[in-house]
Amino acid sequence: QMQLVQSGPEVKKPGTSVKVSCKASGFTFSSSAIQWVRQARGQRLEWIGWIVGGSGDTYYAQNFQERVTINWDVSTSTAYMEVFSLRSEDTAVYYCAADPYITYAFDIWGQGTLVTVSS
Amino acid sequence: SYELTQPPSVSVSPGQTARITCSGDALPKKYAYWYQQKSGQAPVLVIYEDSKRPSGIPERFSGSSSGTMATLSISGAQVEDEADYFCYSTDSSGTHWVFGGGTKLTVL
Repeated sequence: QMQLVQSGPEVKKPGTSVKVSCKASGFTFSSSAIQWVRQARGQRLEWIGWIVGGSGDTYYAQNFQERVTINWDVSTSTAYMEVFSLRSEDTAVYYCAADPYITYAFDIWGQGTLVTVSS
Repeated sequence: SYELTQPPSVSVSPGQTARITCSGDALPKKYAYWYQQKSGQAPVLVIYEDSKRPSGIPERFSGSSSGTMATLSISGAQVEDEADYFCYSTDSSGTHWVFGGGTKLTVL
């Protein structure tokens, strides 16, 4: 069974950083693509970026290019997303999603991680 | 930055066909993908590459694309299909992806 399991909820202060993990099982992690998406309460889904299997190349949305790092540890089939310089507007549920065959069809999703930024 | 535009809401009666549109300048050359999201849950892919249906998705879900508009159709909509639907695609560079604003489907 293909699945992604994300790390637990986080509460952070403005200006700090947060790192969310996403552990994969049931598919060949190194040849997949993993994307990160966030959703503030009641808002649209927002694409953050992704990492592509094989090359390990990363692509980021313009809004996140300066404040987000996406990487992975193939040995543990775990992807990571770190957001720096947090502000209150970063409060959201962060999802990882996998595309096992790099067809841009991200049909495996993690359960989501709530990140709350509050002083 | 690139944008995909969806209507905020669509309402149909049970058994009718629901159509949700998504417009974007790059859609003539880029595929559209559709996600269903029910309250408090992670999104579920219902259509990929304009019109393909993942395994496990009911046949009443279909997709099409023409020019700058992609359309998700749900024939014989059921109450359980009530959800937010988001289109997803990329700009002309193929490296920056975006979601549409989402459409709330009401079936009643």
